[in-house]
Amino acid sequence: AQSVAQPEDQVNVAEGNPLTVKCTYSVSGNPYLFWYVQYPNRGLQFLLKYITGDNLVKGSYGFEAEFNKSQTSFHLKKPSALVSDSALYFCAVSLWPHRGSTLGRLYFGRGTQLTVWP
Amino acid sequence: NAGVTQTPKFRILKIGQSMTLQCTQDMNHNYMYWYRQDPGMGLKLIYYSVGAGITDKGEVPNGYNVSRSTTEDFPLRLELAAPSQTSVYFCASSSSSGGADTQYFGPGTRLTVL
Repeated sequence: AQSVAQPEDQVNVAEGNPLTVKCTYSVSGNPYLFWYVQYPNRGLQFLLKYITGDNLVKGSYGFEAEFNKSQTSFHLKKPSALVSDSALYFCAVSLWPHRGSTLGRLYFGRGTQLTVWP
Repeated sequence: NAGVTQTPKFRILKIGQSMTLQCTQDMNHNYMYWYRQDPGMGLKLIYYSVGAGITDKGEVPNGYNVSRSTTEDFPLRLELAAPSQTSVYFCASSSSSGGADTQYFGPGTRLTVL
């Protein structure tokens, strides 16, 4: 079964410091990995994704993530956090549709609440 | 370009009532999805559709029904609402079912069943 783990429910960081939000996954096959962000009372917004190629993926708002196949991880990073980055972050994984399935469904982690304090 | 829109934004239902959550996308996407988000949990797939007239169950379909008569619209029907259906519901769409395609989400409907 496919699964995504976000081991930290909360991450707190001071503005201007680097931030990391962790994600590990377990899939039977090659994964496609995504990060979404959710601001209060809003829908999920796409940040970035890893499909293939360079393990370091750059996305919106200065975020980046590194795919590590040996550690089955896809941690989200930003060199210098902003107060406006405070939000709920979701990691998600999907697979290429395999035999018997026509859907590249997304499996989500439980989310990590990021708080950046001034 | 509005993307994915959902109505209503909030709703309170009594146990046993029914309602339809509306979802519309203007990106001409073939694939549409309904998720629910419970507190402290990730999103779980309720139903999905691969095109007009074609729908299928996701992880948690019990208590829900869907239809897809047009490419743009994908309503979710709750019959006989139960407190366990209190949740935030998100609709999403993507251009194909390939696992690499980004899903785009609506703003959500917050439903409370009392």
